[in-house]
Amino acid sequence: GAVVSQHPSWVICKSGTSVKIECRSLDFQATTMFWYRQFPKQSLMLMATSNEGSKATYEQGVEKDKFLINHASLTLSTLTVTSAHPEDSSFYICSARVSQGAYQPQHFGDGTRLSIL
Amino acid sequence: AQSVTQLDSQVPVFEEAPVELRCNYSSSVSVYLFWYVQYPNQGLQLLLKYLSGSTLVKGINGFEAEFNKSQTSFHLRKPSVHISDTAEYFCAVSVIGGSQGNLIFGKGTKLSVKP
Repeated sequence: GAVVSQHPSWVICKSGTSVKIECRSLDFQATTMFWYRQFPKQSLMLMATSNEGSKATYEQGVEKDKFLINHASLTLSTLTVTSAHPEDSSFYICSARVSQGAYQPQHFGDGTRLSIL
Repeated sequence: AQSVTQLDSQVPVFEEAPVELRCNYSSSVSVYLFWYVQYPNQGLQLLLKYLSGSTLVKGINGFEAEFNKSQTSFHLRKPSVHISDTAEYFCAVSVIGGSQGNLIFGKGTKLSVKP
């Protein structure tokens, strides 16, 4: 149980294009979803937290207009990297949680490797 | 603010040997503690968590961890490792009663199991 599907798993695109990444909770309803960025050989950096039906809460230093997050339903959140540039290349991981309780573990997707040429 | 320190960035070990991955945290408030494992090019999988009660917590794949409040530690152990345990391991905390329950991660420990 508690499966999170992330799509696509790998994307390569040209500089200036926009890329959308989907995160779906397959067998549970996720009131809260998180988006992380992971640089090579480093830990996960929280980018934003989204609750279904409300605006995402971005961490300090993360550009809201650059990384658009939509959490339109209890099973789907999307991250759109707008006008992507090579410095946006990274491994992006989403996670989902059943409720807002901090004791609830986060369930992670398999990540999306984004390469901007 | 909370922080998590994983004292070893890399731990090489031979197959069937015991292993301990160290984790210390700093927080002025009470926290929940988690260990996650990440296999190459994948997301994170929960190994175990400490919420309350017994300080010795057993997780999946034969791992266990012990919460030590006085030393603010949550070390992960396995008595006999397998090649398949080769992965990156992350220790994380979240604040009890925190509004969003965000996870604060350590920098990870890469466990390499050699035959």
